[in-house]
Amino acid sequence: EAGVAQSPRYKIIEKRQSVAFWCNPISGHATLYWYQQILGQGPKLLIQFQNNGVVDDSQLPKDRFSAERLKGVDSTLKIQPAKLEDSAVYLCASSFGFRGSSYEQYFGPGTRLTVT
Amino acid sequence: AQSVTQLDSHVSVSEGTPVLLRCNYSSSYSPSLFWYVQHPNKGLQLLLKYTSAATLVKGINGFEAEFKKSETSFHLTKPSAHMSDAAEYFCVLYSGGGADGLTFGKGTHLIIQP
Repeated sequence: EAGVAQSPRYKIIEKRQSVAFWCNPISGHATLYWYQQILGQGPKLLIQFQNNGVVDDSQLPKDRFSAERLKGVDSTLKIQPAKLEDSAVYLCASSFGFRGSSYEQYFGPGTRLTVT
Repeated sequence: AQSVTQLDSHVSVSEGTPVLLRCNYSSSYSPSLFWYVQHPNKGLQLLLKYTSAATLVKGINGFEAEFKKSETSFHLTKPSAHMSDAAEYFCVLYSGGGADGLTFGKGTHLIIQP
């Protein structure tokens, strides 16, 4: 079975520029997550989708970050404008179900963003 | 509030010796706990999970962990380290109070000496 796909794998931009990341979850997985992993820290949940609806975006900096999951499959995470502190690895994960720890989250390889 | 504390940022062991990675948690709800491993430039992989069944949980690659409610701990062990075990390990909490986002510890970098 194909895993979670993310692109690009690496991105370097200057501060105040905008950037977008793409994620394609495992086929049939209803739930999709975006995490931010700053160097030396564990991933932090940014936003969670159930199909194409947002379940939790409480930790998403909404003044600069946005995300969508049109048609309940692929998802895009955007940062506009980027700040130096946004330098991190952005991880996408998906799971089959919702509301239950029995649904394992499968992670993609991540997109490493460097803001200069 | 939910939190996870990994007590060691780095652990170094010799190949063939036991591994112990320590994790403590705090949760307002009955927790589910996980250990994930992250190899360089690869995605996070689930090693094992505890979801209120047996307190001793066996995972992949010879790893196991024991849930101790009285100590709020979920330490990861392996009897004999292998060079391929060198990676970053994350203790993760799912508290079930709301959405399904996981709370990660800061990670423990496991170094295997030849």
